[in-house]
Amino acid sequence: SQTIHQWPATLVQPVGSPLSLECTVEGTSNPNLYWYRQAAGRGLQLLFYSVGIGQISSEVPQNLSASRPQDRQFILSSKKLLLSDSGFYLCAWSVMGYYGYTFGSGTRLTVV
Amino acid sequence: DQQVKQNSPSLSVQEGRISILNCDYTNSMFDYFLWYKKYPAEGPTFLISISSIKDKNEDGRFTVFLNKSAKHLSLHIVPSQPGDSAVYFCAASEGGSEKLVFGKGTKLTVNP
Repeated sequence: SQTIHQWPATLVQPVGSPLSLECTVEGTSNPNLYWYRQAAGRGLQLLFYSVGIGQISSEVPQNLSASRPQDRQFILSSKKLLLSDSGFYLCAWSVMGYYGYTFGSGTRLTVV
Repeated sequence: DQQVKQNSPSLSVQEGRISILNCDYTNSMFDYFLWYKKYPAEGPTFLISISSIKDKNEDGRFTVFLNKSAKHLSLHIVPSQPGDSAVYFCAASEGGSEKLVFGKGTKLTVNP
């Protein structure tokens, strides 16, 4: 069966520090991968999506970047965190031809 | 420019009664719609979906209605249970794209 792992569950980082969040998928090949953010009082905002290794599309300009070094690995990074980067980050995957995502359990990031 | 709108940030109903969550969209090219349910500190989970070729889809206590002319869909939960208390997100996709556009969510509280 397909599973998605996302870690860490909670993270508190000082302003200006780097960030690396990792997401891995098991049980499927060549998934589409997504990073979403839910900020306080806001909905789910698509940050990045990837249809294959090394292929990253950014949906909104921001202080973050994403990489896909392996087929089932998706990484969200920042060189210097801002207070506005605080939020709940969600990784998700989908398979070509099928609607709907499977989400990871999320990472609560608090930048202080 | 918000393409998927959930204008009610919260809804409170009594156990056993009907819960109706509403969603409006502006993009007439959307042809597939989904509802996700999210508990605190967890990733959203898929609940029910509907294609634009239908106007109703039912799954147990959950029914989604689609009114294409009004660009409106709604999720009915009958009867509502305390375990249904969660944030519900409406999502839409366009023309075979796996990318989903989410609304801001509606927090449903079902009181015992």
